[in-house]
Amino acid sequence: DGGITQSPKYLFRKEGQNVTLSCEQNLNHDAMYWYRQDPGQGLRLIYYSQIVNDFQKGDIAEGYSVSREKKESFPLTVTSAQKNPTAFYLCASKEQGSGNTIYFGEGSWLTVV
Amino acid sequence: DAKTTQPTSMDCAEGRAANLPCNHSTISGNEYVYWYRQIHSQGPQYIIHGLKNNETNEMASLIITEDRKSSTLILPHATLRDTAVYYCIVRLYNFNKFYFGSGTKLNVKP
Repeated sequence: DGGITQSPKYLFRKEGQNVTLSCEQNLNHDAMYWYRQDPGQGLRLIYYSQIVNDFQKGDIAEGYSVSREKKESFPLTVTSAQKNPTAFYLCASKEQGSGNTIYFGEGSWLTVV
Repeated sequence: DAKTTQPTSMDCAEGRAANLPCNHSTISGNEYVYWYRQIHSQGPQYIIHGLKNNETNEMASLIITEDRKSSTLILPHATLRDTAVYYCIVRLYNFNKFYFGSGTKLNVKP
């Protein structure tokens, strides 16, 4: 079954710890994205990648890091430098080309305890 | 990307048409208009998109004004399951960034 898989769905982290959120897609999409969503707010772009081994910062990249070693995988690491990491994180992917739509995973809830 | 403006929330009676407006007065000629919706704690779902002409699919219709400065998403017969936040997005031709605003919270009531 094709799609975007995010894991874990729920994650708790102690302050000062790094945590990595997984995002895997089997849609053969070139572009992948990470968004953050706070309660009652819209989505904000953290990082995006248009091809393997390349990625660009979005609007709120500070305190986050990514890698794109394989086309199907785009993990996000929330570092201890991110001061307010509790949020809902969404991964997405898209084919290259004009007009193509972006597809989302089901999201991961991160809570700092 | 052009900025969009949407009402914060709207109500609609079940079975009636829901008309969700979006203002994108600074849109450029090669920017598409996209609509997505997000049900609580799920990933946003694609609904429809268009460039100049009106579009229709099995979920909704998209009406874009002739000057392209605004658009309306129409859900012809709203159901309770259509209760969600609806996002209007404009995106540059062949550009990979998608910017989401705060959207419109549509409440479909029995």
